[in-house]
Amino acid sequence: DIQLTQSPSSLSASVGDRVTITCQASEDITNYLNWYLQKPGKAPKLLIYDASNLEAGVPSRFSGSGSETDFTFTISSLQPEDFATYYCQHYDNLFQVTFGGGTKVEIK
Amino acid sequence: QVQLVQSGAEVKKPGASVKVSCKASGYSFTAYYLHWVRQAPGQGLEWMGRINPNSGATNYAQKFQGRVTLTRDTSISTAYMELSGLRSDDTAVYYCAREFSLAYIKLDSWGQGTLVTVSS
Repeated sequence: DIQLTQSPSSLSASVGDRVTITCQASEDITNYLNWYLQKPGKAPKLLIYDASNLEAGVPSRFSGSGSETDFTFTISSLQPEDFATYYCQHYDNLFQVTFGGGTKVEIK
Repeated sequence: QVQLVQSGAEVKKPGASVKVSCKASGYSFTAYYLHWVRQAPGQGLEWMGRINPNSGATNYAQKFQGRVTLTRDTSISTAYMELSGLRSDDTAVYYCAREFSLAYIKLDSWGQGTLVTVSS
């Protein structure tokens, strides 16, 4: 089974900061990686799909990059509504879905 | 617009079963797979399985094989997740999510979640 390791597990940042989260896969997953945001008590929301494609309606301050085993998610200028937990997610050719452990972004 | 509306919170005793529903609207129910994902209190997201609403074919996470059953009723555009042999560590919020797939696959719409509490 493919494992996704996110880091850091949590971080503190200020409004306006640039924030970067990484997701490392245990084997080559080409670019089959998505990113979600989840706020407390709410369902996850898709932000980025296929490693670098911005979901419709998602602000352009969010971006993703990477391929094979190493992926990066970036918020270019952190906004108050961005304080949440972020998850990476992979879907393999055996129809199995894996999530990373999550990164909680907190206010400094 | 796409909407997935789940059934309400449940409280169950250990050993019992629970069945959570997910009613779809705003799109063709049989055209998109539906997934089930759960989240224990304070924990991350855990995938349980998916169902093809058109054929009824299912794929399950190995962890839940034999304990979870995904079904659907196309006449009312509703999918169901039934989990049996409940234990205290099954206490979680259970989500359904729609799979959108082209050359890529993404879970683009989610239900609001259903809290299942397992307690004696």
